[in-house]
Amino acid sequence: DAGVIQSPRHEVTEMGQEVTLRCKPISGHDYLFWYRQTMMRGLELLIYFNNNVPIDDSGMPEDRFSAKMPNASFSTLKIQPSEPRDSAVYFCASRTGVGYGYTFGSGTRLTVV
Amino acid sequence: QKEVEQDPGPLSVPEGAIVSLNCTYSNSAFQYFMWYRQYSRKGPELLMYTYSSGNKEDGRFTAQVDKSSKYISLFIRDSQPSDSATYLCASPTRDNAGNMLTFGGGTRLMVKP
Repeated sequence: DAGVIQSPRHEVTEMGQEVTLRCKPISGHDYLFWYRQTMMRGLELLIYFNNNVPIDDSGMPEDRFSAKMPNASFSTLKIQPSEPRDSAVYFCASRTGVGYGYTFGSGTRLTVV
Repeated sequence: QKEVEQDPGPLSVPEGAIVSLNCTYSNSAFQYFMWYRQYSRKGPELLMYTYSSGNKEDGRFTAQVDKSSKYISLFIRDSQPSDSATYLCASPTRDNAGNMLTFGGGTRLMVKP
């Protein structure tokens, strides 16, 4: 099992540009989560999906953020336009409907300059 | 007040020491608690989870919940340099299905050889 796969690992972009982060969950996992981690705020849940349907997006900070899950094996988190305060590590995680163990990806380190 | 709080550390101990990592939570309705370990530049990985009060042991790790004082602890026996990481406690603070974990800020542990 390859685990949760995120791409890119690092992204440096200029303020105002569109950024797209990608995630491939573990096969058979029906929940997918996007988290953001910063030194100041720690790990924050942005949005989660169940069976490809967004269930709770109350953590999405602004309309500049959007997330999609077109099928069970792929999700994207898009920021448009990006701002320096969006700089953080973005994690994708997945789990099955049984138990509490999330499996996290290795994250995408985003720097907006 | 944050829902789940931890001392950020760093906590530095010699190899072989017993380590105690602690977490407090604000809402007595929380029922499930998890400990995640995060190595530098990696995603968090689930170490243990426990329900309600009492102890749970897994090898060198023991998780303890004291609901009367809203206190969660993780003990590491015979600590090793490979235990050096950030330890995060978490609880599903908005639903007991475990779909929306709230994380503490993490405690950084350093085990010196």
